[in-house]
Amino acid sequence: EADIYQTPRYLVIGTGKKITLECSQTMGHDKMYWYQQDPGMELHLIHYSYGVNSTEKGDLSSESTVSRIRTEHFPLTLESARPSHTSQYLCASSPRDREETQYFGPGTRLLVL
Amino acid sequence: AQSVTQPDIHITVSEGASLELRCNYSYGATPYLFWYVQSPGQGLQLLLKYFSGDTLVQGIKGFEAEFKRSQSSFNLRKPSVHWSDAAEYFCAVAAGYGGSQGNLIFGKGTKLSVKP
Repeated sequence: EADIYQTPRYLVIGTGKKITLECSQTMGHDKMYWYQQDPGMELHLIHYSYGVNSTEKGDLSSESTVSRIRTEHFPLTLESARPSHTSQYLCASSPRDREETQYFGPGTRLLVL
Repeated sequence: AQSVTQPDIHITVSEGASLELRCNYSYGATPYLFWYVQSPGQGLQLLLKYFSGDTLVQGIKGFEAEFKRSQSSFNLRKPSVHWSDAAEYFCAVAAGYGGSQGNLIFGKGTKLSVKP
C-alpha cells in the first residue's frame, strides 16, 4: 500500500492569501493527482501528472496550479485564495503498471474566510 | 462520456444485517470499476476493483461486489455489517489504463450509518 502524505490537514486562511498544499508519496509512483471534494459531492479531478515536469488539467476547471519537480512531490498552489476555494483537497498517486489503481492521502480541508 | 450514479445518498442498517450499496455506470465498453471507502476526516481507501474475468470480486474488510454488464451495475455487498463500517462509500469508473483513460470518474457517494 502506498504512503501518501498531505500537509496541512486543516487550513483556515483569509481572502487574498497565497497558499500551497503539500503532497508527497514514498512509493515512487509516476502518476499523481489532485481532487477537489465538496461535502456530499463526488470527487472532481483538477490536476494530474504523469511524472517529473508533466502537469495536466483535470475534468474540473480550477484556479489552482501544480508543479512536479520531483517524483515524490506534487504541490498545489492558490495564488490568491477566495471563499469559493473552500473545499477538501485530496491527493492521490498510482503505479506505472496499474495507473488506474489510485492510493489516496488523508486530504486537506481548506476554509477561506 | 463516462458517468457513475449512486442512487442512495444515505443508508442506515442495523449491526449484523446485510448490506448492498448500488452503483450504476455509463460507458460504452467494459470499464474498470472500483469501490472506495472514506472514513470521517480520512482519505479514500480502495476496497476492491474489477478489471476483467470473474464478475464477483472480493475485497478487503469482508466486502464483495458483482459486475453485471446487462444492468451496467457494480453493487457492493457485505453479509454482516459491523459498526466500524460506518463511512462514506464511493463507486468509481476508469476507461482503462494509460494516459487519461486511467483517470477515475467518481459517483457522489453513499453514506452508511450503522445502528447498534
